[in-house]
Amino acid sequence: ETGVTQSPTHLIKTRGQQVTLRCSSQSGHNTVSWYQQALGQGPQFIFQYYREEENGRGNFPPRFSGLQFPNYSSELNVNALELDDSALYLCASSLGQGGVYTFGSGTRLTVV
Amino acid sequence: AQSVTQLDSQVPVFEEAPVELRCNYSSSVSVYLFWYVQYPNQGLQLLLKYLSGSTLVKGINGFEAEFNKSQTSFHLRKPSVHISDTAEYFCAVPNSNSGYALNFGKGTSLLVTP
Repeated sequence: ETGVTQSPTHLIKTRGQQVTLRCSSQSGHNTVSWYQQALGQGPQFIFQYYREEENGRGNFPPRFSGLQFPNYSSELNVNALELDDSALYLCASSLGQGGVYTFGSGTRLTVV
Repeated sequence: AQSVTQLDSQVPVFEEAPVELRCNYSSSVSVYLFWYVQYPNQGLQLLLKYLSGSTLVKGINGFEAEFNKSQTSFHLRKPSVHISDTAEYFCAVPNSNSGYALNFGKGTSLLVTP
C-alpha cells in the first residue's frame, strides 16, 4: 500500500501571494488533517477533513482553507501569504476519526 | 481539550546509554497517547501508541513507553541508544474538540553522541 504523499516538497513564495499544497492520503484512509510545523516547534493542527467535510479546525485564520476530494486526497490553500507562514506543512491521513495517523514527508514553504 | 507536555526540550546522551523522554498528559475520561519520531528534514513516523490494555507499550526501534494513570504520564524509554536514534520526538494526544486530530507536545530533541 502507498503511504501519504505530498507535493511539492519545497517551494518559495513572495509575501502576499497565494499557495496550494497537495496531499494524497494512504489507500483506504478517509480522514485527512493538516499541520503547520515552524522551525524548532511541534506540529500545530490547522484543520481536518472527514469524508469531504471539515470536522475540526485549529487556531488559524480564514485565509487558511482546504478541500477534500471524493478520492480523499486534499488541498491546503493559503491566501495573502505572510513571512510567518514559512514552515513545514504536514499532511496526515487515517481511517476514520481518531484512527492512527500516517504522515507524509511534508512541504517546506518559504515566504520571502 | 486534551493536551500533552514534554518536560525536556533537549536530551543529550552517550551511545549505548539508556534514555527516558518524558511526557505528561492532561487528565481525561479516556486517553489515547502516541509517540512520533521525526528525523532531520523528514515527516513524522509513529513509534508506538497506547489505546487500551497493557500499560507497557512496545514500539519500533527498541522503544517502549509506560502509561501511568496516577501520574498522568507516558514516558518513552530505550535501554540502549544508537547514534541513529538522534532525532526529534513528539508526544501526542487526540483532541475530541477537533475531530480527534492530534495535539502535539513541543518536542524533545534527542542527541546521541559517541
